[in-house]
This record gives sequence, C-alpha cells and structure tokens, in this order.
Amino acid sequence: DAGVTQSPTHLIKTRGQQVTLRCSPKSGHDTVSWYQQALGQGPQFIFQYYEEEERQRGNFPDRFSGHQFPNYSSELNVNALLLGDSALYLCASSWRGGSYEQYFGPGTRLTVT
Amino acid sequence: AQSVSQHNHHVILSEAASLELGCNYSYGGTVNLFWYVQYPGQHLQLLLKYFSGDPLVKGIKGFEAEFIKSKFSFNLRKPSVQWSDTAEYFCAVNAESGTYKYIFGTGTRLKVLA
Repeated sequence: DAGVTQSPTHLIKTRGQQVTLRCSPKSGHDTVSWYQQALGQGPQFIFQYYEEEERQRGNFPDRFSGHQFPNYSSELNVNALLLGDSALYLCASSWRGGSYEQYFGPGTRLTVT
Repeated sequence: AQSVSQHNHHVILSEAASLELGCNYSYGGTVNLFWYVQYPGQHLQLLLKYFSGDPLVKGIKGFEAEFIKSKFSFNLRKPSVQWSDTAEYFCAVNAESGTYKYIFGTGTRLKVLA
C-alpha cells in the first residue's frame, strides 16, 4: 500500500518563475492538503482540496493555486516566485469518511534563487 | 488567531532520561490534537492523536500525551528515551470542525546522547 508520494524531490527555480508540484494521495484517500514548511518552522496550511475543489485556504496569496484531479491526485502551482517561497512543500492526504488524521508525504524542497 | 506554542525549541537528553515536551494551544472550542515526529531525512509520521475520551493517550514507540483542557495543553512524554528518538517533534491542532486544517507548532528538536 503506497503512502503519499510527491514529485519532484528537489527543485531549483529563479525569482519570477512558476513552479508546479505534484502529489498522489495514499490509496483510499480523497482529500489532499498542502503545507509550506520554512526552515526552522512548523508546516503552515496553504489549502485543501476534495471533490476537485478548493475547500479551505490558509493565509497565502493568490500566487499559490492548486488543482485536484478525478483520481484525487493534486498539484500545487506557485507563480511569480519570490526568494521567500523557498521551503519544503508537504502534501497530506486523508479520507473524509474517516477521522481527522492526515498522512504526510516526504515533501518537495523548493529553492528559489 | 489560533496558535500552537512549543516552548522547548531544542532539548538534549542522555539515553534513559525521561522526556516531556510542552504544547499549548489557543482555542476555546473542541479540538483534535496530534503529535508528529520527523526523523532525520524522513517525512512526518503520526506519533499519537487525541479526539475525545480518555485524556491520556498512548502512541507508538512508548510515547504518550496528556490532554489538559483547563490548561489548553497536550504535552508529550516518554519515560525513557533512546538514541533512536533523536528527531524533531511537532504538535498540531485541528480546531475547525469538518476540516483538515492543522495548525502546527514550531517544533522541538530532540537530541539523545548515547
């Protein structure tokens, strides 16, 4: 049973560029949440998707957008990258019919230069 | 605004010492509480969780945590740590019913000396 997978593992981008990160949820899960973890900080909630729609959003600008596909996988897009966007981006999945427990993927390390 | 505080940022212990990591949250309603661990080079893993019922919850690897509602606390404990417990520990709160939005603390980096 595969857990949450994310790609790519690492990514280096230049300021102003755009980036897309991908997440496949754990088998049987239908909800995906994205978090940003800056160095030395705890993860911060970006947004959550289920039924292919954004359902809740944290305190992140519109440069951060996402998508969920019919197979429940998800993408996180960040436009007009800033140096401050450098962080570990975590995907977490859960099943809405279950408890409020989330399973986290290994993350994508994004470095903006 | 909701927040989670972990007051111990770095903790160094010798093997067999007892561990207690503090976690306080600011939210007056019903909460779901979690402790996650991140071993070096690995992803976040759930240690234990509290949804309701017995405020003393037991998790994996001998960890336990106690929910004290009056103190808005959910402290993590382990009677005797091992070198393999070296990791970063995060407390998280889910305070919005019907959502999966977690508020995380800033983490506590634990180093256990062999």
